[in-house]
Amino acid sequence: DQQVKQNSPSLSVQEGRISILNCDYTNSMFDYFLWYKKYPAEGPTFLISISSIKDKNEDGRFTVFLNKSAKHLSLHIVPSQPGDSAVYFCAASGMGSGTYKYIFGTGTRLKVLA
Amino acid sequence: DVKVTQSSRYLVKRTGEKVFLECVQDMDHENMFWYRQDPGLGLRLIYFSYDVKMKEKGDIPEGYSVSREKKERFSLILESASTNQTSMYLCASSDGLAARYEQYFGPGTRLTVT
Repeated sequence: DQQVKQNSPSLSVQEGRISILNCDYTNSMFDYFLWYKKYPAEGPTFLISISSIKDKNEDGRFTVFLNKSAKHLSLHIVPSQPGDSAVYFCAASGMGSGTYKYIFGTGTRLKVLA
Repeated sequence: DVKVTQSSRYLVKRTGEKVFLECVQDMDHENMFWYRQDPGLGLRLIYFSYDVKMKEKGDIPEGYSVSREKKERFSLILESASTNQTSMYLCASSDGLAARYEQYFGPGTRLTVT
């Protein structure tokens, strides 16, 4: 069973607009969440994270929102740039997965159109 | 900069062959991980190691084994390759096992088993 779900396999956004990528999880024991970005032919790279004690974390153009009651997190990219085109994975960790493991979602392919 | 390198970018093997995938990190990280990435399934943890000669099974260890004889090197072994092991294999390392420790990924090895 997929404990971390990214229900949109792909998303297209115009340059300069907001990109919103969504992630849902089922295990309420998860307490730390991360977003990774992956370009073709490269390994994933860390983008931003959030602890369950917060509901928002911001880093430049990237903001992650966490709604614990809905077991939902989202990544907002404002403004979107063509270089943001990549596959984005959310990941969750915590007692539900063993504190040393990430459980990754299936990924969302973002395409930012110039 | 953390560097994680994988011995091959592309590999083609025959069913039944024994396959070795090598991973080397240069940041003296304690922990190393092997994942596979498949469309629609995201990244799934195969094995990880938290010290030399120490290993633990991840979520999908069947058909795989690992070896960590030196801190910087973590090998994934397919004892008898099968077609369902055709996949992208990603190695990662981290400085700690808590979720807040970012995992650094290598570029991946695309393995095709025919």
